[in-house]
Amino acid sequence: ETGVTQSPTHLIKTRGQQVTLRCSSQSGHNTVSWYQQALGQGPQFIFQYYREEENGRGNFPPRFSGLQFPNYSSELNVNALELDDSALYLCASSLRVAGPVADTQYFGPGTRLTVL
Amino acid sequence: AQSVAQPEDQVNVAEGNPLTVKCTYSVSGNPYLFWYVQYPNRGLQFLLKYITGDNLVKGSYGFEAEFNKSQTSFHLKKPSALVSDSALYFCAVSLHGSSNTGKLIFGQGTTLQVKP
Repeated sequence: ETGVTQSPTHLIKTRGQQVTLRCSSQSGHNTVSWYQQALGQGPQFIFQYYREEENGRGNFPPRFSGLQFPNYSSELNVNALELDDSALYLCASSLRVAGPVADTQYFGPGTRLTVL
Repeated sequence: AQSVAQPEDQVNVAEGNPLTVKCTYSVSGNPYLFWYVQYPNRGLQFLLKYITGDNLVKGSYGFEAEFNKSQTSFHLKKPSALVSDSALYFCAVSLHGSSNTGKLIFGQGTTLQVKP
């Protein structure tokens, strides 16, 4: 196990609702990245947080937002849920020491979101 | 655009035989390359990565991968497959550079089926 935890494990929402997913990073890590994995697909990068600021964003609309807290845990918020938001949401933590390098990202077990 | 291709949706191999899972990439610049494995209802588990140096990288659980710059490939290999290796395998790339966040770009995944 990586030490990265996510909650909740599963979530069912209806279209138009809002959802918050949580991630606790591995001890000693300062960077959190979020990915969306649709069924049968590879994970897609949503955004990354480093030192409590967004540090890069993928091709996702603004209704996907996030936070990183001083203890390096993180939240992913999705507003106005759509059916296509149904997916496994993965959080990954890593340690950035000096500039962007090949940090190894360690993934949590994911949150399965179903939008009805 | 940066991309990763895993040309085989599924690879079947008999237990004890060598296995290869293929990955090719298309990026501008020098890549960092990763392999992850995903078991059912689990997050991604890091296997190995290539940054620089020796083209043959050894990782967890007896897996290794060979970086071939001229063929832009990073195939995953194991000399003797185990039934417990059956899982979904993802190849991923991230990029060097000061503007790089270290985001991972994933392939579509290859299901490895090892039969007794």
